[in-house]
Amino acid sequence: DAEITQSPRHKITETGRQVTLACHQTWNHNNMFWYRQDLGHGLRLIHYSYGVQDTNKGEVSDGYSVSRSNTEDLPLTLESAASSQTSVYFCASSTVTGELFFGEGSRLTVL
Amino acid sequence: AQSVTQLDSHVSVSEGTPVLLRCNYSSSYSPSLFWYVQHPNKGLQLLLKYTSAATLVKGINGFEAEFKKSETSFHLTKPSAHMSDAAEYFCVVSETGGFKTIFGAGTRLFVKA
Repeated sequence: DAEITQSPRHKITETGRQVTLACHQTWNHNNMFWYRQDLGHGLRLIHYSYGVQDTNKGEVSDGYSVSRSNTEDLPLTLESAASSQTSVYFCASSTVTGELFFGEGSRLTVL
Repeated sequence: AQSVTQLDSHVSVSEGTPVLLRCNYSSSYSPSLFWYVQHPNKGLQLLLKYTSAATLVKGINGFEAEFKKSETSFHLTKPSAHMSDAAEYFCVVSETGGFKTIFGAGTRLFVKA
C-alpha cells in the first residue's frame, strides 16, 4: 500500500543546531506540504512543492527550508533551531483534487 | 478569498446519540470540501470529500456531510456516536487542483459513556 512516512518521529535538540526532518511518500503525488501544529494555532503551512525542483514559502516559512530533488522526498530543514520551533510537524502529499494524505508527525523539542 | 469557519471548538455528546459538527465556508471558486479526523498523537485522516458530484457525501465510520451551497455550509453528521469517535475534526476547503488549501480551526469531539 502507498504511504507517507516521516522520520524521526521524536527529536530533542538544542538551540542553534541544524535539524532535518525527513518525509517520504510512495503515492507518486506531485504536491507535497509541510505543516506545523501548535495548540491555539491549528495547522499552519510552512513550505510546499508542486513538483521536482519546485518549492514555495507558506505562511510561517521563516527559519525553515525545503528541497525537492525527486518526487518521493521533501525534507524540511531548520537552519538554526529556536525554542519557538518546538512543535509537531506534519508532512502531507495531495492529489490534484486536493485530497491530502498525512504522515504520522514528527515531534520536535528545542531546548 | 477562501475561508473556513468551524462554529464549535468543542462538542460533547453521549455514546449512541447523534453527532453534528458545523462548518461554514467562503470561496470564490467551485471548491472541494473535506472533513479530516485526527486522533491523539496521529496524523490527519480523510473522513470524506465533496468535489461537485452528489451533495450528500458518505464517508468512513458512518459519517456523512451535506454540501449546501445556498447556506455555504458543509456540516458533518453521524447518527450514533461511538467512544472511538472522540477526536479532533477539521473542515477543509481547497481550490480545484489542490493548489490552495485552508483548514478550519478544528472541533474537538468528546463522547461520554
